[in-house]
Amino acid sequence: KNQVEQSPQSLIILEGKNCTLQCNYTVSPFSNLRWYKQDTGRGPVSLTIMTFSENTKSNGRYTATLDADTKQSSLHITASQLSDSASYICVVSGTSGGSYIPTFGRGTSLIVHP
Amino acid sequence: GAGVSQTPSNKVTEKGKYVELRCDPISGHTALYWYRQSLGQGPEFLIYFQGTGAADDSGLPNDRFFAVRPEGSVSTLKIQRTERGDSAVYLCASSPTSGGNEQFFGPGTRLTVL
Repeated sequence: KNQVEQSPQSLIILEGKNCTLQCNYTVSPFSNLRWYKQDTGRGPVSLTIMTFSENTKSNGRYTATLDADTKQSSLHITASQLSDSASYICVVSGTSGGSYIPTFGRGTSLIVHP
Repeated sequence: GAGVSQTPSNKVTEKGKYVELRCDPISGHTALYWYRQSLGQGPEFLIYFQGTGAADDSGLPNDRFFAVRPEGSVSTLKIQRTERGDSAVYLCASSPTSGGNEQFFGPGTRLTVL
């Protein structure tokens, strides 16, 4: 069964600090991995996408890594801001009969305190 | 241009009633997805449309749930004989194609079954 596990479940940090969120997956065959940011009361918004051959991708203060051999990914947030407070969801897409059905993790809830 | 919109934003209903949730995808997007998200969880896949047809409805929990997309644009998720366990945020997402492209999410409809 395809699964995406994220850790930690929640995280509290001070503004300006860095943090790293983890994602392990068992989706097969693998197509791509995305990190989404979901603000409270809103739909998820894509931050980064990585395919099998990519091992790092940056988007501003967000840097995602992918190790396709160990099936692990991380999202590193640099110099956190209050607006980074949100849920960060790891999403892995595989293929099933030609369609790409994503498997979502439960998310990591990040709270940035001033 | 406009993003994905969903109506209503909130829906409160009584157990046993019928509800319809509407999704207006981004114009020109051929793929449309419905998800259900419970508090503290990641989105759970329900059904995926490619054009007018349901390409994968394996996520629908039971036959009380049904979705249509008659003209390949707007989609309606229909829930019959609602139960308290159906209470959740129902998210809709659209994508230019189904090939693992980025999904653009709507704000969701929060359904509460009393």
